Amino acid sequence: SQQGEEDPQALSIQEGENATMNCSYKTSINNLQWYRQNSGRGLVHLILIRSNEREKHSGRLRVTLDTSKKSSSLLITASRAADTASYFCATGPNTGTASKLTFGTGTRLQVTL
Amino acid sequence: SAVISQKPSRDICQRGTSLTIQCQVDSQVTMMFWYRQQPGQSLTLIATANQGSEATYESGFVIDKFPISRPNLTFSTLTVSNMSPEDSSIYLCSVVWTGGDEKLFFGSGTQLSVL
Repeated sequence: SQQGEEDPQALSIQEGENATMNCSYKTSINNLQWYRQNSGRGLVHLILIRSNEREKHSGRLRVTLDTSKKSSSLLITASRAADTASYFCATGPNTGTASKLTFGTGTRLQVTL
Repeated sequence: SAVISQKPSRDICQRGTSLTIQCQVDSQVTMMFWYRQQPGQSLTLIATANQGSEATYESGFVIDKFPISRPNLTFSTLTVSNMSPEDSSIYLCSVVWTGGDEKLFFGSGTQLSVL
């Protein structure tokens, strides 16, 4: 299985701190994506990084990708209470198809005031 | 982007009954995906619904248990048949963004509890 493993499983921080979560995967990928899920609802796409990219930024989000280690990290800077959610990495297969993402196990982030 | 309306948002059902979940997209899409998320778990792909052809099911999922319809390019349904408590999950529909990146848009999910 190409399913990603994320760590930590749960993370609790105070507002204003940075949150870092990691994702590891097993096989070659075309891209890696991060999604957020609020309280058991639908997932929202955050950011996509391609296999030939090493770092990408979007607002308070920073994603890194190390294909040699088959790992990625998501950094949320200056966290807010509204960032409280579960975060999932998802890998796109290296087969050229634009479907069949495989989701990781997720990190539950709790941001307290 | 795509806006997806999914309903019902939640339901509590009795063992042995069936529930049909509907998913409406505001634009035409070739493929729609149905995922299951068991409590505290990640997402597992159930099947890919293509308009005009049979759905393609992933290993461990069968048409008799999860029949899918795709009558047009904006709509799909997933039925959870002969339910048991093990079917208690969040069910999510999604579509691929066709604007160049392979990202998914999701419906808001259906939280199903089977008693």
